[in-house]
Amino acid sequence: AQSVTQLGSHVSVSEGALVLLRCNYSSSVPPYLFWYVQYPNQGLQLLLKYTSAATLVKGINGFEAEFKKSETSFHLTKPSAHMSDAAEYFCAVSDDGNQFYFGTGTSLTVIP
Amino acid sequence: DAEITQSPRHKITETGRQVTLACHQTWNHNNMFWYRQDLGHGLRLIHYSYGVHDTNKGEVSDGYSVSRSNTEDLPLTLESAASSQTSVYFCASSGSLAGGSSYEQYFGPGTRLTVT
Repeated sequence: AQSVTQLGSHVSVSEGALVLLRCNYSSSVPPYLFWYVQYPNQGLQLLLKYTSAATLVKGINGFEAEFKKSETSFHLTKPSAHMSDAAEYFCAVSDDGNQFYFGTGTSLTVIP
Repeated sequence: DAEITQSPRHKITETGRQVTLACHQTWNHNNMFWYRQDLGHGLRLIHYSYGVHDTNKGEVSDGYSVSRSNTEDLPLTLESAASSQTSVYFCASSGSLAGGSSYEQYFGPGTRLTVT
């Protein structure tokens, strides 16, 4: 069975500081991995995805994530936080590109 | 532009009533999904469909049903609403009629359901 663990339900960073949101997964096959962002009272929007191409994936709004098979991790980073990055972030895994399994989410607060 | 819409956006109902939440997508996707979002649980899959007349149970399907009569719609029905079903419900779609997966799900704006 697949599962996703997001370490830290709440993360706070200062504006301009590095953003690091952690995601570890379990999967019996090479997975597809995704990061989604959710702004208040909205649906989920895709930030980036890993589908067995380059292990360093670049997404929208300056975010990127690195697939590390040996660590079963897919951590999300951004070099410099902006106030507009404050949102809920979800990591998801899929082994067939159809059915997704989501983590419990990480709420990012950006301190001015 | 293609989109996925949900209605109503907000709904208050009483315990025991039947409720149907609508989901409509114009992406021409063959896959559609219903999730519920609760604090501390993230998104949990309720039901999903890989095509017309195909439906499958997800992780938390008890008390819910879906039917798929065309490509565009996957309504979610709560047969007898319970207070435990108070939640935010999201519909999503993926894939194409040509087959294969686009490897990403597109989400609707959500329906906030309160069962009193």
